[in-house]
Amino acid sequence: DARVTQTPRHKVTEMGQEVTMRCQPILGHNTVFWYRQTMMQGLELLAYFRNRAPLDDSGMPKDRFSAEMPDATLATLKIQPSEPRDSAVYFCASGFDVNTEAFFGQGTRLTVV
Amino acid sequence: AQSVTQLDSQVPVFEEAPVELRCNYSSSVSVYLFWYVQYPNQGLQLLLKYLSGSTLVKSINGFEAEFNKSQTSFHLRKPSVHISDTAEYFCAVSDQGSSASKIIFGSGTRLSIRP
Repeated sequence: DARVTQTPRHKVTEMGQEVTMRCQPILGHNTVFWYRQTMMQGLELLAYFRNRAPLDDSGMPKDRFSAEMPDATLATLKIQPSEPRDSAVYFCASGFDVNTEAFFGQGTRLTVV
Repeated sequence: AQSVTQLDSQVPVFEEAPVELRCNYSSSVSVYLFWYVQYPNQGLQLLLKYLSGSTLVKSINGFEAEFNKSQTSFHLRKPSVHISDTAEYFCAVSDQGSSASKIIFGSGTRLSIRP
């Protein structure tokens, strides 16, 4: 059963610490998305990649967030330093194209205290 | 630029009653349209999609949506809801003509089913 795998599922960290979230996209998918979900802002697109190349990261705070795809089986989202306002659920999704169906992971629930 | 509006943030209905969740979009080009469902503490799952062809699309669990180009709408309907349909539903749109066009999500509609 092919699925997008995200680790960790939950993360509690102190303000100022570095946080790394990992995503394994579905094998064969060439597009990876990072979303952030909060009660106030809803679902926000942070960045997305096609064939491992970043297409758009305009939704991401550049000073503290970074997204990479070291290889086709791994996408990472880093926050350094983390702040309480970064507390949210972060979703990774993958697909065959940017504009067609996206398959979502279970999310990483991040709490920054 | 494309946008999606889900007019209702919450929709309470009684079990076995019909439901309609509204979705309107704006775009200057042809679009793909999607409905996703999010159950508590889970990621979003695709419920149904319109890519081309018949304007009426259906899911395996009884939901259907109709693409109405003239009204720029893609409302989601179910004739009789079940407790297990309690979830948040997201409408989404993307540009058909560009494979680099991202999917834009609406703000979501929380469907709560009363017994």
